[in-house]
Amino acid sequence: GAGVSQSPSNKVTEKGKDVELRCDPISGHTALYWYRQRLGQGLEFLIYFQGNSAPDKSGLPSDRFSAERTGESVSTLTIQRTQQEDSAVYLCASSPGGKVEKLFFGSGTQLSVL
Amino acid sequence: AQSVTQPDIHITVSEGASLELRCNYSYGATPYLFWYVQSPGQGLQLLLKYFSGDTLVQGIKGFEAEFKRSQSSFNLRKPSVHWSDAAEYFCAVGGAKAAGNKLTFGGGTRVLVKP
Repeated sequence: GAGVSQSPSNKVTEKGKDVELRCDPISGHTALYWYRQRLGQGLEFLIYFQGNSAPDKSGLPSDRFSAERTGESVSTLTIQRTQQEDSAVYLCASSPGGKVEKLFFGSGTQLSVL
Repeated sequence: AQSVTQPDIHITVSEGASLELRCNYSYGATPYLFWYVQSPGQGLQLLLKYFSGDTLVQGIKGFEAEFKRSQSSFNLRKPSVHWSDAAEYFCAVGGAKAAGNKLTFGGGTRVLVKP
C-alpha cells in the first residue's frame, strides 16, 4: 500500500479482555515500530523490529504486552487482560533499513478499555 | 539515556503573529532531531529534521528550526501563524544505531490560534 496501515482504527473492549492490533508497514520497509500515545501525552516507544534481528522490547510496559512480526511484513501487537490504563492511541511506524529520518507513521488505533 | 523536554504544554497565539516552540534534548552523541505535527484526527506528519550541517533548517508549511548544541535546544519557529497551524507539535531525538534506531518524543505542545 501507499502508507502504513493500521487496523482497527477504533477498538472498544472490556477490562480483562485480550486485544490484537494490526500494522501493515510500507512495502520494503525492514524496520517497524510501535508507539503508545496516552491522552494529552507524547509518544512512548514500545517495541522495534528490524529485519530478522531480535526485536528491541525495552519499551513494553508489562508482560501483558507482546508483539510479533513475521519477516518484513505485518505486525501484531497483543495486549492481554486489558486494563483501563491501556486506553490510548497505538501508533505504528515503518522505515527502510531502520532509518529514522524516513519514518512514516500510520493513523493509529484508538483503544478504549471500559 | 536520551530524552526530550517541551516546556510549554499549551501556547495560544493570534493569527498572523509569530510562534516559537521550545525543545530541549539530552543525547550522548550528535543527535538527529525532528519536529512533527499532529492535527486533530490526523496522523503524525514530519515538519523538518536536522542531522548535520547548517544549524538552521527549513521545513514544510513555512516552519524552521535552529539547532543550538551549546543549549541542547532545537526550537521551532514560524514568522506568521495561520489558523490551520492549530495542532499539537512534537519534538523528537534519536537516530544512531547505538540508540536502537528509535525516536524519543517530547510530551508535545498544543498550539491554539486566535482569530
